[in-house]
Amino acid sequence: RKEVEQDPGPFNVPEGATVAFNCTYSNSASQSFFWYRQDCRKEPKLLMSVYSSGNEDGRFTAQLNRASQYISLLIRDSKLSDSATYLCVVRGGGSYIPTFGRGTSLIVHP
Amino acid sequence: SAVISQKPSRDICQRGTSLTIQCQVDSQVTMMFWYRQQPGQSLTLIATANQGSEATYESGFVIDKFPISRPNLTFSTLTVSNMSPEDSSIYLCSVEDLRTVSGANVLTFGAGSRLTVL
Repeated sequence: RKEVEQDPGPFNVPEGATVAFNCTYSNSASQSFFWYRQDCRKEPKLLMSVYSSGNEDGRFTAQLNRASQYISLLIRDSKLSDSATYLCVVRGGGSYIPTFGRGTSLIVHP
Repeated sequence: SAVISQKPSRDICQRGTSLTIQCQVDSQVTMMFWYRQQPGQSLTLIATANQGSEATYESGFVIDKFPISRPNLTFSTLTVSNMSPEDSSIYLCSVEDLRTVSGANVLTFGAGSRLTVL
């Protein structure tokens, strides 16, 4: 079983749609969780950290479920510019090395 | 957050040659990481570059193939040696940023070096 698993997609949605991604992790001792965004031919950039109580940043909401070992990212009112790959990143549990998921590809069309 | 300058941004190389990728950071950082991202795949950590000591390599990566230098706290190089087409990939350097607002250590990446080996 991979340490961090994501549905690769692609998720193909119209503008204005709400879309949700899930990410599962295998190490129950993991401590830090993040969502990164990677545009085509660009480096990954931090989108948001994920806190235990869940957190929101504008149209983006991240949640953590420790019992089921997954994190989620909800994007409301999708924009064309949201088209990218979203990487789930997990850290901790005995290692300082962050572990990346394969990423979920999102395509927002007019 | 830290600003990273990575070069070359891309290169096309012949089989059997070596290429050195440079990463310059605008501030002193303790930990620098080198990642590889193959087409359609996520990031795989190659090694952690330690200042003043040898790099720490992950399983499947060895120093003879990917020698790393870390002469100071703002600079590191990764060399891809004796290249083959299988080494065609994007190579990214990364540093750890302490985001004072959240208190979490997050990674900031260089723009990447896209390598094609013929």
